[in-house]
Amino acid sequence: ETGVTQSPTHLIKTRGQQVTLRCSSQSGHNTVSWYQQALGQGPQFIFQYYREEENGRGNFPPRFSGLQFPNYSSELNVNALELDDSALYLCASSWREEDTQYFGPGTRLTVL
Amino acid sequence: EDKVVQSPLSLVVHEGDTVTLNCSYEVTNFRSLLWYKQEKKAPTFLFMLTSSGIEKKSGRLSSILDKKELFSILNITATQTGDSAVYLCAVDNYGQNFVFGPGTRLSVLP
Repeated sequence: ETGVTQSPTHLIKTRGQQVTLRCSSQSGHNTVSWYQQALGQGPQFIFQYYREEENGRGNFPPRFSGLQFPNYSSELNVNALELDDSALYLCASSWREEDTQYFGPGTRLTVL
Repeated sequence: EDKVVQSPLSLVVHEGDTVTLNCSYEVTNFRSLLWYKQEKKAPTFLFMLTSSGIEKKSGRLSSILDKKELFSILNITATQTGDSAVYLCAVDNYGQNFVFGPGTRLSVLP
């Protein structure tokens, strides 16, 4: 157990809908990163938040957006869902000066 | 473009065998290399490597980094069925981004 939690565990949406995924960081961690992991592939970096500010972004379109709250919990929002958005979405928290990221259990999103 | 390559992509062995998993990388700003084990969902942290030539060990697992040749290996000795998982290699390019490889799927047969 890493202390990082995510909700919901599973989610089914249809194309064009919007979705919000949630992550609660490990206590004391002020940095959260979000990843998309398609079946059979390694995680792909979406973005990172540090103290409520976006601190880096991968190659994902603007319809992927995020928020980090003062308690360091975080949300990932995806608008206008596409079939290819079906994946496991992982969040990982870390202390800013440390390298190790601790992953949550993920949210499995299926877009029909 | 930052890139992490792992080999083999898939490996099937029998209990008791020793395996070596490979990870090579090309990143603009290297800070550390990390190994994770992913069984069902959340990747779990195994090792973080920052210096060349210093082996890190945890039980039957060990790992080493070569920063000159830009690669790392993960060794598992006396494999057990519980070692069956996907092993992910990731490179930290100074905290902005972790670049992951595709993973090596290890299956250990009884």
